[in-house]
Amino acid sequence: NAGVTQTPKFRILKIGQSMTLQCAQDMNHNYMYWYRQDPGMGLKLIYYSVGAGITDKGEVPNGYNVSRSTTEDFPLRLELAAPSQTSVYFCASSYSQGPYEQYFGPGTRLTVT
Amino acid sequence: QQQVKQSPQSLIVQKGGISIINCAYENTAFDYFPWYQQFPGKGPALLIAIRPDVSEKKEGRFTISFNKSAKQFSLHIMDSQPGDSATYFCAATQISTGNQFYFGTGTSLTVIP
Repeated sequence: NAGVTQTPKFRILKIGQSMTLQCAQDMNHNYMYWYRQDPGMGLKLIYYSVGAGITDKGEVPNGYNVSRSTTEDFPLRLELAAPSQTSVYFCASSYSQGPYEQYFGPGTRLTVT
Repeated sequence: QQQVKQSPQSLIVQKGGISIINCAYENTAFDYFPWYQQFPGKGPALLIAIRPDVSEKKEGRFTISFNKSAKQFSLHIMDSQPGDSATYFCAATQISTGNQFYFGTGTSLTVIP
């Protein structure tokens, strides 16, 4: 199993550009999550999904959108990128029943200039 | 506001010593408390987790102590090793809400040989 995969690993965007961060998991997990990690701030939940076709906002959803058309994929869309979206983005997945461990991908480092 | 407060921000320990990281939470509905370990350039990985029906859980050199009345939990790393040098995050969630994790701000642990 590849686990949770994320692409790209690094990206530099100009202010106002848009992009999609890709996330896929091959563990047949129902639940998937997007976090951003900023220095000294821990991980903040952006959006999450409890199954295909179902998404909901986390703590910091502004400026982002998600979709979940399949169990495996959970892309994160950034529209009109802003410098405040410079961060490391992590995708994670977990089972809906126990164990409740979230499995994280390797991250995407995004810089908006 | 920060749902889970973590301290200290950084910690330096001699090899063989005990590392202690503390977390506090406010929401009494939280019922799952994991600790994640993150190495530079990698995604977080589950280290150990506890449910509130027990006061302590031990796995090898890692122990979680849980104080439900004080709404606090801590990670103890016994016989700390240089390979334990990483950033540690505590987290909390209410399982019935789709496993939305609230993470602490992280502790950077350095174990000196």
